[in-house]
Amino acid sequence: GAGVSQSPSNKVTEKGKDVELRCDPISGHTALYWYRQRLGQGLEFLIYFQGNSAPDKSGLPSDRFSAERTGESVSTLTIQRTQQEDSAVYLCASSLQGLGDTQYFGPGTRLTVL
Amino acid sequence: ELKVEQNPLFLSMQEGKNYTIYCNYSTTSDRLYWYRQDPGKSLESLFVLLSNGAVKQEGRLMASLDTKARLSTLHITAAVHDLSATYFCAVTRTSYGKLTFGQGTILTVHP
Repeated sequence: GAGVSQSPSNKVTEKGKDVELRCDPISGHTALYWYRQRLGQGLEFLIYFQGNSAPDKSGLPSDRFSAERTGESVSTLTIQRTQQEDSAVYLCASSLQGLGDTQYFGPGTRLTVL
Repeated sequence: ELKVEQNPLFLSMQEGKNYTIYCNYSTTSDRLYWYRQDPGKSLESLFVLLSNGAVKQEGRLMASLDTKARLSTLHITAAVHDLSATYFCAVTRTSYGKLTFGQGTILTVHP
């Protein structure tokens, strides 16, 4: 079946602009996660959704970052007033129930802030 | 704070050789995962290790877990070029699977 999809695959923006990144999880997966991967580094957790609620948003770096999810479907990560340090690959993952079961990752969105 | 450290960070191997990647974590964790990432691609799940002494094997890769030592190993047997990739270990302590990742090990297998 279809895996996790993300769009756009690449986004180049100017400093100070807002961006929206989209994630479509695997159908039926109730848990959804956003991670960030800076160049040459491991992944950093940003936020976790169970259904459309976000019990853990402790990894969001600042109040410029926000995310929402519609039901058990699409999620959008929004970064306002982008800064150069926001440049990274943003990865979305979903899992069936979020009980430590395997997370399946999307291809990521590469964000470049000029 | 949960920390995960991998070593080595860079590994250059000859085809046919064996080697081990180590993953240490700082506090008791529920599960340990190994992922593979090819350049420009997303992460592919390799193994999930749930309990002390767990061992899993797939092809030329074998992963093990020692929860007392807070250590997991990923052993590569008779490496081939197709294994060239970045390998990440990750652990979770939460009931909902929030992952904390190691820095990744960049593996290059030469002919």
